[in-house]
Amino acid sequence: KAGVTQTPRYLIKTRGQQVTLSCSPISGHRSVSWYQQTPGQGLQFLFEYFSETQRNKGNFPGRFSGRQFSNSRSEMNVSTLELGDSALYLCASSPRLAGADNEQFFGPGTRLTVL
Amino acid sequence: KQEVTQIPAALSVPEGENLVLNCSFTDSAIYNLQWFRQDPGKGLTSLLLIQSSQREQTSGRLNASLDKSSGRSTLYIAASQPGDSATYLCAVPGSGNTPLVFGKGTRLSVIA
Repeated sequence: KAGVTQTPRYLIKTRGQQVTLSCSPISGHRSVSWYQQTPGQGLQFLFEYFSETQRNKGNFPGRFSGRQFSNSRSEMNVSTLELGDSALYLCASSPRLAGADNEQFFGPGTRLTVL
Repeated sequence: KQEVTQIPAALSVPEGENLVLNCSFTDSAIYNLQWFRQDPGKGLTSLLLIQSSQREQTSGRLNASLDKSSGRSTLYIAASQPGDSATYLCAVPGSGNTPLVFGKGTRLSVIA
């Protein structure tokens, strides 16, 4: 069974631009969660999608948004990029809503650099 | 609000040594705890998942224990090898059934 895939793996953008990252979950998994990892803040939860609906949201500004498609693939978008958005963006999938007794499986991440 | 702390932040040991990584969490009402491994610039690899009803889980040279009442977990690595060098992260579900809250990790270096 294929794992979680993320595209692109690396991305370089300039301040003010916008970016879209993609995540394909493990087949049969319906929940996709997104996390941001930076050296200073560590791993922080962005949002979770389940059955095309955002179910949970972390403490990030409205510039960060996402969506999920009927095949469970998810995209996240960051508008008006800032230098501080440079990070490794990880997505994770699970069969059901994350949390509780549900194990999460992570993709390789997308490294975003904002110049 | 759930908070996770990992001590030490970094650890360097000679090859062959047994070692223990520590993780503590503030809200003991957790359903499970996961230990992950992360190689530089890479994603997370799940090592062990301990359910709240379990006291420990083992996988090869790894053993993780969980003490919910004290809000602690340990990851024991036996006979360490240079290939074990990585950052080890522990995570628990957040309050209100939100997804994972992570510690900052322990960066392990095993010297040949």
